[in-house]
Amino acid sequence: EVQLVESGGGLVQPGGSLRLSCVASVFTFSRYWMSWVRQAPGKGLEWVANINHDGSEKNYVDSVKGRFTISRDNAKNSLYLQMNSLRVEDTAVYYCARGYTYGPDFHSWGQGTLVTVSS
Amino acid sequence: QSVLTQPPSASGTPGQRVTISCSGGSSNIAINVVNWYQQLPGTAPKLLIYSNNQRPSGVPDRFSGSKSGTSASLAISGLQSEDEADYYCAAWDDSLNGAVFGGGTQLTVL
Repeated sequence: EVQLVESGGGLVQPGGSLRLSCVASVFTFSRYWMSWVRQAPGKGLEWVANINHDGSEKNYVDSVKGRFTISRDNAKNSLYLQMNSLRVEDTAVYYCARGYTYGPDFHSWGQGTLVTVSS
Repeated sequence: QSVLTQPPSASGTPGQRVTISCSGGSSNIAINVVNWYQQLPGTAPKLLIYSNNQRPSGVPDRFSGSKSGTSASLAISGLQSEDEADYYCAAWDDSLNGAVFGGGTQLTVL
């Protein structure tokens, strides 16, 4: 069974930085588009960013452009999200998700990691 | 305000058929496929329908999806208590160059 395990969440002050990681197993990581999707407490799902198979193509939601960077290391079967200049409104559970295309066809999800931005 | 519009709530009794709508526009649903997710309380979302009407293996055929123009629908027949969950539609938006989700529909089984 496909496994995606996120880590790196925690409490950070506004303006701070955090790096999330997602380790994949039981599938050929380098063949898939990967995304980060977040969910603020009590709210709906919001797509954050995606990256193609070799990292040459990346897309972001407008609210994180210039602050967040998605990347991957296929040799380590890992996906990352570097989050800088964090805002209170970035508080959410962050999920990594595997897709077959650039679109939101997320056949597999991790369990999520909570990021709390607060002073 | 979500780009894709869903009713915030829906309900039905066991055995009933319910539908959840998802309304979009010319840059998303009209030209891209729609996917549907089920999220049970406290858990990660689960893909229910992809490419408008395809079910991943393991998803019961009680769940079906359709699309017409700028709208899509999720239908659940033979409603069961375990179907009580939040449901989200999603599609790629060519104008935003990003994925968009509906605001979610909370389904209650009465």
